[in-house]
Amino acid sequence: AQSVTQLDSQVPVFEEAPVELRCNYSSSVSVYLFWYVQYPNQGLQLLLKYLSGSTLVKGINGFEAEFNKSQTSFHLRKPSVHISDTAEYFCAVSDRFDRGSTLGRLYFGRGTQLTVWP
Amino acid sequence: NAGVTQTPKFRVLKTGQSMTLLCAQDMNHEYMYWYRQDPGMGLRLIHYSVGEGTTAKGEVPDGYNVSRLKKQNFLLGLESAAPSQTSVYFCASRGVGGSYGYTFGSGTRLTVV
Repeated sequence: AQSVTQLDSQVPVFEEAPVELRCNYSSSVSVYLFWYVQYPNQGLQLLLKYLSGSTLVKGINGFEAEFNKSQTSFHLRKPSVHISDTAEYFCAVSDRFDRGSTLGRLYFGRGTQLTVWP
Repeated sequence: NAGVTQTPKFRVLKTGQSMTLLCAQDMNHEYMYWYRQDPGMGLRLIHYSVGEGTTAKGEVPDGYNVSRLKKQNFLLGLESAAPSQTSVYFCASRGVGGSYGYTFGSGTRLTVV
């Protein structure tokens, strides 16, 4: 099974500062990678995903992530954050190829709480 | 709007009571999942289903049962609720193919006293 490590449980930043949320995953085989965002008292919504092609993926709300196969990382970045970006962010990975019933199953990290201060 | 609907949104149970959480999706998705979310633990998979009439255990299945009698519905049951089952429960679904992410419901906040 995959494992996903989000290296920071809490990231406080000031408004308009850049931010990076770090994510590493365990498997070296081909994978799909996702970032989800959860606003307070809401469900999770897809922020961006990497399937193939360019290693730099752009998502909603000005976020982007870079896939680094050699370092098995998929870090999320934003050059200038807003108060409204305060939320919990989850990195997730799924297998590209079928290894039984795990195909498409998402493995989640424990989440990173991003808090943006004025 | 198409999506995943969870009912109820909130519930308080007494220890030992039973209840069923309903998840309904209208996207004709094959796969459905039940997760629980606890502070600092992220999302942990309880049970999942790869199609109508099939279910399988996830990481934390003890104390829960599920059924998928219809493709669009995935039910999560607690036969005898315990305080340790106080959590936020999320249902998710996805279509066929590993490149799809999940579509999540808005969650059910359950408190067992």
